[in-house]
Amino acid sequence: SQQGEEDPQALSIQEGENATMNCSYKTSINNLQWYRQNSGRGLVHLILIRSNEREKHSGRLRVTLDTSKKSSSLLITASRAADTASYFCARGSNYKLTFGKGTLLTVNP
Amino acid sequence: KAGVTQTPRYLIKTRGQQVTLSCSPISGHRSVSWYQQTPGQGLQFLFEYFSETQRNKGNFPGRFSGRQFSNSRSEMNVSTLELGDSALYLCASSCPDCEQYFGPGTRLTVT
Repeated sequence: SQQGEEDPQALSIQEGENATMNCSYKTSINNLQWYRQNSGRGLVHLILIRSNEREKHSGRLRVTLDTSKKSSSLLITASRAADTASYFCARGSNYKLTFGKGTLLTVNP
Repeated sequence: KAGVTQTPRYLIKTRGQQVTLSCSPISGHRSVSWYQQTPGQGLQFLFEYFSETQRNKGNFPGRFSGRQFSNSRSEMNVSTLELGDSALYLCASSCPDCEQYFGPGTRLTVT
């Protein structure tokens, strides 16, 4: 079963707007990772946040983690058409990840 | 460094046949993991190999198998293909202190 569940399942925004995706999980974690996948291609690692961290930034990405609520969010600021992709949260080790079903983000030019 | 490579990129097979997919990890990475991605089930972990040994295994039937060679390259094999095996198969390599790096995937279509 999927251990990470993202919502919304799909999100459509205009270029320049911010996009927020959420992820919930069921069991305790050491860290949580976010990946991006462009249309049926390989996954690209975006960011890892450890269980003792509450917020992490990487460029236009901001990830928050609330272990008490077992949830995380990914914020993409000032979105671009090139950000159009599916975004997945994943938990587990570096050798075995469990993914949610992902959020399909469409950024309209 | 060259990224993770997978061959072939696309494959069409008939039910009942078998297929072998190949994955070359990033140089120096000794762990290779395989995932199946389908629209219905999403991304699911198949198995992971480290130093030629299967170290972790997902919940897939025995028709799915794999191996790893001494140069860390890995292959996965699916025997007696079923229509439901149509999927994107992704491999990823990693090292002890790094995240998983994914290849572009092999798109398998079973007809």
